[in-house]
Amino acid sequence: SQQGEEDPQALSIQEGENATMNCSYKTSINNLQWYRQNSGRGLVHLILIRSNEREKHSGRLRVTLDTSKKSSSLLITASRAADTASYFCATDAWDYKLSFGAGTTVTVRA
Amino acid sequence: DGGITQSPKYLFRKEGQNVTLSCEQNLNHDAMYWYRQDPGQGLRLIYYSQIVNDFQKGDIAEGYSVSREKKESFPLTVTSAQKNPTAFYLCASNPGDQETQYFGPGTRLLVL
Repeated sequence: SQQGEEDPQALSIQEGENATMNCSYKTSINNLQWYRQNSGRGLVHLILIRSNEREKHSGRLRVTLDTSKKSSSLLITASRAADTASYFCATDAWDYKLSFGAGTTVTVRA
Repeated sequence: DGGITQSPKYLFRKEGQNVTLSCEQNLNHDAMYWYRQDPGQGLRLIYYSQIVNDFQKGDIAEGYSVSREKKESFPLTVTSAQKNPTAFYLCASNPGDQETQYFGPGTRLLVL
């Protein structure tokens, strides 16, 4: 079952702007992960945040996690054309599996 | 060159035919996974295997079968019982002591 739900479904921004997308989930989790998928390709892992963490950074990425609201956000700062992709959140509920949301499609305009 | 390979890139299936999608990894990972992705949707888990000679059904296993005879290989068979097989199929692996998954490039299955 798909536990995560991303919002918005699609996002179009100008190069240099920030992009923010959100993920909500339903059950208790061990960690939450974000992946990127370029069109027609496999997924690439971006960042993992554990249930006892509130914020994490990796380069131009900032992830937050609010376990009380069962939600996470991914912020991409100073976006580039190469950031055009679909972004998925995935939850790990201690069962050796990941549950993926439907994704947010981000288009960065030059 | 380490990684996960999937073949073929495109696969065509005729009515009533079984087809097998290949997934190979040379990362020495214990766990392997098969996902299905439909247009505009997220990934749904078909089967997964945490160790050789063992595998479990995911959320949408009906119409699919797998085997895990070797650590590096986890082929997926789409049987004739799967009435709507057109989708993008992704294979992934995980070393077992980490939570992140590493994905192959995918196979797009189309029905003739």
